[in-house]
Amino acid sequence: DIQMTQSPSSLAASVGDRVTITCRASQSIINYLNWYQQKPGKAPKLLISDASRLHSGVPSRFSGSGSGTDFSLTISSLQPEDFATYFCQQTHIIPQITFGQGTRLEIK
Amino acid sequence: EVQLVESGGGLVQPGGSLRLSCAASGFTVSSTYMNWVRQAPGKGLEWVSVIYGGGYTLYADSVKGRFTVSRDDSKNTLYLQMNSLRGDDTAVYYCARDETRGLYEFDTWGQGTLVTVSS
Repeated sequence: DIQMTQSPSSLAASVGDRVTITCRASQSIINYLNWYQQKPGKAPKLLISDASRLHSGVPSRFSGSGSGTDFSLTISSLQPEDFATYFCQQTHIIPQITFGQGTRLEIK
Repeated sequence: EVQLVESGGGLVQPGGSLRLSCAASGFTVSSTYMNWVRQAPGKGLEWVSVIYGGGYTLYADSVKGRFTVSRDDSKNTLYLQMNSLRGDDTAVYYCARDETRGLYEFDTWGQGTLVTVSS
């Protein structure tokens, strides 16, 4: 299986900050990379697919980039509702799709 | 409104069985790909199974031979039959829709149902 490694595992930031979370795949996944946001006790929500395509209804302060093995999720100006855990997901090898371990974004 | 509602979780002894349900509304489960994804307490996400619109099914190696995904089109409901349960099956189980039908982009999720395997 392809291993997905996110960094950092946790991050403390302030409202208005620019934040970047990275995700590295153990082998090339081209651009088959999705990002999800999960709040405590809730189901994940799809933010970005195909590494950089914003899902319908997701604010434009979220953006994704990368290809091959290295990817990133950037929030340009943190809002209070953005404090959550973020997961990357590779969908290059079907059906052995795998997720990163998550990055917890906390309020500083 | 597109919605998924899971039920059927609970406490079960190791070696036992449980059937989870996922009732869909606002769309037809037979017209898309429906998945089960689980999350162990405090851990990350793990894909479990998928059922295609045509009924074809796939499973993660960790559950193959023990879990069975199915659906009842008349009830617009997805199921996960879990047998020979083990402690490492303890998790919140989510059903999730893949409207891309094969790209495994999960655009709609249920609220989850907790399965605890313990004696």
